Amino acid sequence: AQSVTQLGSHVSVSEGALVLLRCNYSSSVPPYLFWYVQYPNQGLQLLLKYTSAATLVKGINGFEAEFKKSETSFHLTKPSAHMSDAAEYFCAVTYSSGYALNFGKGTSLLVTP
Amino acid sequence: KAGVTQTPRYLIKTRGQQVTLSCSPISGHRSVSWYQQTPGQGLQFLFEYFSETQRNKGNFPGRFSGRQFSNSRSEMNVSTLELGDSALYLCASRPTGEVNQPQHFGDGTRLSIL
Repeated sequence: AQSVTQLGSHVSVSEGALVLLRCNYSSSVPPYLFWYVQYPNQGLQLLLKYTSAATLVKGINGFEAEFKKSETSFHLTKPSAHMSDAAEYFCAVTYSSGYALNFGKGTSLLVTP
Repeated sequence: KAGVTQTPRYLIKTRGQQVTLSCSPISGHRSVSWYQQTPGQGLQFLFEYFSETQRNKGNFPGRFSGRQFSNSRSEMNVSTLELGDSALYLCASRPTGEVNQPQHFGDGTRLSIL
């Protein structure tokens, strides 16, 4: 079964500090990985995706993620946090013959002034 | 280009009733998926439709059903509602459902069961 684990249900950073949200996947076949963000009372917005091309993936709003097969990780980073980055972040995985996204439990990012 | 539209945004029902939720995908998208989001269980896959055919289904009871119309619009039905069905129901679409295509989500329908 394909699954993702997001370490840390809540992460707090200061404005301007590095954002690091962790995601580890378990997959017996090459995974396709995604990061989504959810603001209150809204749906999910795609930040970036990994689909077996470049291992360093750049997304919207200054976010990027690096696929590390040896560590089965796909951590999300942003060099400098903005107040507007406060939201819930979800890592998701699917695989070559599947159609459903399997989501992690989510990480709530708090940005303090 | 308009995004995924879900109606209604909010719904209140009582136990035992049934409910129908609607989803209009992005124009040109033929694959529609449904997800349930709750604080306890997180985001869980319900089912996916492509060209009016259900091609994948999650682990939900038969009370949860769906369909897709020829214009790709989709509806989800839940019968004999239970308190535990209170959730945010999200619809997502993508062009053909190929695995490397990301899902585009609507803002959801928040269903509350009294």
